Amino acid sequence: KNQVEQSPQSLIILEGKNCTLQCNYTVSPFSNLRWYKQDTGRGPVSLTIMTFSENTKSNGRYTATLDADTKQSSLHITASQLSDSASYICVVSYNNNAGNMLTFGGGTRLMVKP
Amino acid sequence: NAGVTQTPKFQVLKTGQSMTLQCAQDMNHEYMSWYRQDPGMGLRLIHYSVGAGITDQGEVPNGYNVSRSTTEDFPLRLLSAAPSQTSVYFCASSYLGRGGRNTEAFFGQGTRLTVV
Repeated sequence: KNQVEQSPQSLIILEGKNCTLQCNYTVSPFSNLRWYKQDTGRGPVSLTIMTFSENTKSNGRYTATLDADTKQSSLHITASQLSDSASYICVVSYNNNAGNMLTFGGGTRLMVKP
Repeated sequence: NAGVTQTPKFQVLKTGQSMTLQCAQDMNHEYMSWYRQDPGMGLRLIHYSVGAGITDQGEVPNGYNVSRSTTEDFPLRLLSAAPSQTSVYFCASSYLGRGGRNTEAFFGQGTRLTVV
């Protein structure tokens, strides 16, 4: 069964500190992996996309890594800001006859405190 | 572009009532889907559609119906609401990825449904 597991479930850090969120997946056949940010009361928004051949990708203070051999990804947030408080969801895509399907992780709820 | 528009944003239903959650997108995406999000759980797929006239069941389809008469609209119908359907519902759309198209999913704002 295709699964995406995220850790930790929740995290509290002080403003300005760094943090790393983890994602393990068993989705096959792998197409791509995205990290989404979901602010409270809003829909998820894509932060980064990783394809099979990519190891690292940055988007401002967000850096995602992918190890396709161990089926692990991480999202590193540098110099956190209060606006980073949100849920971060790892989403792995696979292809079937219908097209590109999504498998969602449970998310990590991040709280950044002043 | 308005993106993905969901209505209503909030709804309270009594057990046994029926209602339709609306979803519309203006990006000409082939793929549209409905998810529910419950506390401590990831988004779970209810139904999806790969084009007008084509729908299929996801992970948790029971108690819900969908139709796709146009590319733009993908309504979700609750036939007889139950307390177990209390949840936040998200509609999403994307390209299917054919020809290397970007498959980023765009989500609506969500509908918070309470069934009492």
